[in-house]
Formats: sequence, structure tokens, C-alpha cells
Amino acid sequence: DGGITQSPKYLFRKEGQNVTLSCEQNLNHDAMYWYRQDPGQGLRLIYYSQIVNDFQKGDIAEGYSVSREKKESFPLTVTSAQKNPTAFYLCASSPPTGLNTEAFFGQGTRLTVV
Amino acid sequence: GESVGLHLPTLSVQEGDNSIINCAYSNSASDYFIWYKQESGKGPQFIIDIRSNMDKRQGQRVTVLLNKTVKHLSLQIAATQPGDSAVYFCAENAGGTSYGKLTFGQGTILTVHP
Repeated sequence: DGGITQSPKYLFRKEGQNVTLSCEQNLNHDAMYWYRQDPGQGLRLIYYSQIVNDFQKGDIAEGYSVSREKKESFPLTVTSAQKNPTAFYLCASSPPTGLNTEAFFGQGTRLTVV
Repeated sequence: GESVGLHLPTLSVQEGDNSIINCAYSNSASDYFIWYKQESGKGPQFIIDIRSNMDKRQGQRVTVLLNKTVKHLSLQIAATQPGDSAVYFCAENAGGTSYGKLTFGQGTILTVHP
């Protein structure tokens, strides 16, 4: 059963703590992405990676970090430097250029700072 | 550009009616456009996409129209059903091979009444 798995579904963090969100895909996609969604808004790109061991900042990378050590995995760390981390985080992946190029999304992780 | 806020555009229709959801995009260099459906608490789900060398594309019960002159995109849903109720997002990609590197609109809430 192919797809993108994000874990956990809900995450609570105390202020000042770092937290890592997991994203795993078994679609054999080269590119992976992290988006943030705030209530009543569209998704905004945090980081993306086109190949293993390479990644680029998106529009709102400040306070976040990523790694891409394996093709299947693209974890996102929300650091204490992120001023407003409470949000819905979505991971996506997309295949190489071809006929079917749409990005597929996971089911998201809702992060709440308490 | 896109307006950002907590008050999403809404569309309310009766079951069986046709729905039209509109989207204005911002980047004239964008060459790939995509519509996603998002249900509450879930990740976006692909509906249909279109490249800039086309002005219309049809899927099952859905049609996307692209007007590059006025930078306008629309999604038509035929015979709308209660299960179509969700938030619909348009997104644009400004070129390159990372088709998941998208700029999202703020979304439109579609409510279908039985």
C-alpha cells in the first residue's frame, strides 16, 4: 500500500523545546516537501529536497531544519527559534518529470505548543 | 498576489447542481497548475492538474479551465454531491522539475446541501 506516512498525528510541545516530525514515503519519489498550514489559510512551503543529501529553503524556513539522508525519509525539526510553531504540518512527495507529476500529501501532523 | 486571512470564500450549492470555484494566480511565469481538495483534519487530495500549454482539461466530473491572459483558473464540478463538501485549493508551480514546489491560494469552502 503505497503512500506518505506522517507521524505522529498530534504532537504537543513545551515552549523552548525542539521537536521532530516524521515523514516517510514508499512511492520511490525523488522530491519531498514540507508545508505549513495555519487556520483559514493555504499551505506555505518550508523546505524541499529534490534528491538525497540535498535540500533548499522554501518561503518560511526560519526556525526549521531538515535532513535527507535516505530517499524515503524527510524529517522536519521545529526548533525553539520558531516563534509561532502551532500549526498543521504537511509533507508531500512528487515523482520526476513525466506524465504524472502531481505531488502527493500525507495526512499531516498537528503541532500544538503548550 | 493572494489575500491572506481567516475568512475564506465560500460556495454553497444544492446536491446535483454544478459548482464553479475560481482562483486568481499571481505569477505569469507559472506553467503548471493543480487543484486539491482538503477535508477537515486531512492532507490535500489531488483532483486535477493542467499545464500552461492547455486551456481546458477534463476528468471524472471535474473540468479545469485556464485563462493565462487574465491569470485565472477555475474548477467546475458537475452534479455536485455532499461528499464534495471540503476546502478547495488552487496551486501554481513556476517551472523546474520540482512539481511539488507550489504556491497555494487561500482556498474556497464548498458546502453541498442534500
